[in-house]
Amino acid sequence: KAGVTQTPRYLIKTRGQQVTLSCSPISGHRSVSWYQQTPGQGLQFLFEYFSETQRNKGNFPGRFSGRQFSNSRSEMNVSTLELGDSALYLCASSEIEGGEQYFGPGTRLTVT
Amino acid sequence: EDQVTQSPEALRLQEGESSSLNCSYTVSGLRGLFWYRQDPGKGPEFLFTLYSAGEEKEKERLKATLTKKESFLHITAPKPEDSATYLCAVQAGGGFQKLVFGTGTRLLVSP
Repeated sequence: KAGVTQTPRYLIKTRGQQVTLSCSPISGHRSVSWYQQTPGQGLQFLFEYFSETQRNKGNFPGRFSGRQFSNSRSEMNVSTLELGDSALYLCASSEIEGGEQYFGPGTRLTVT
Repeated sequence: EDQVTQSPEALRLQEGESSSLNCSYTVSGLRGLFWYRQDPGKGPEFLFTLYSAGEEKEKERLKATLTKKESFLHITAPKPEDSATYLCAVQAGGGFQKLVFGTGTRLLVSP
């Protein structure tokens, strides 16, 4: 089976712009979660989706949003980018609730 | 608030020198404890899930154990290719997928 794929892999944006990141889960996986990884804060939970519904959200401002499509693919959007949003954004998929979560390679976002 | 603390932050071993990494946690109703390996510039790679105290799982040179307050990742006779950051995460009960991660242990195995 193909693993979790994320696009794009690298992105450079300017402060104030917005960005959309995409995640395709492993075939058959219906749960998708997003995480932000920075050197200072480590891996932090952003939100999770199951069957197109956001089920849980982490402690991030409203500028961070996401959605999931009927084919389980997910996107996350960050509006009005700030320098502190520079990070590795990781997507993870799971077949069942509480099951193993498999991560994609991430999207490296740099905000200048 | 759920918390995960990993120690040591960094560990340097000689090839063949066995050791253990520690993961201490506080969580309201542990659903599962996860171990991941992460190489630079890559996403975390799933290693193990442990669900209850006393459980143990093995994979090649790695063995993970779980108690009510902590988990250990034992590395037996490590090789240079085991060099990576090892991450521990907990998942609380409640039906959600959220993982709370520790900051990881950076392992360097020298030949």
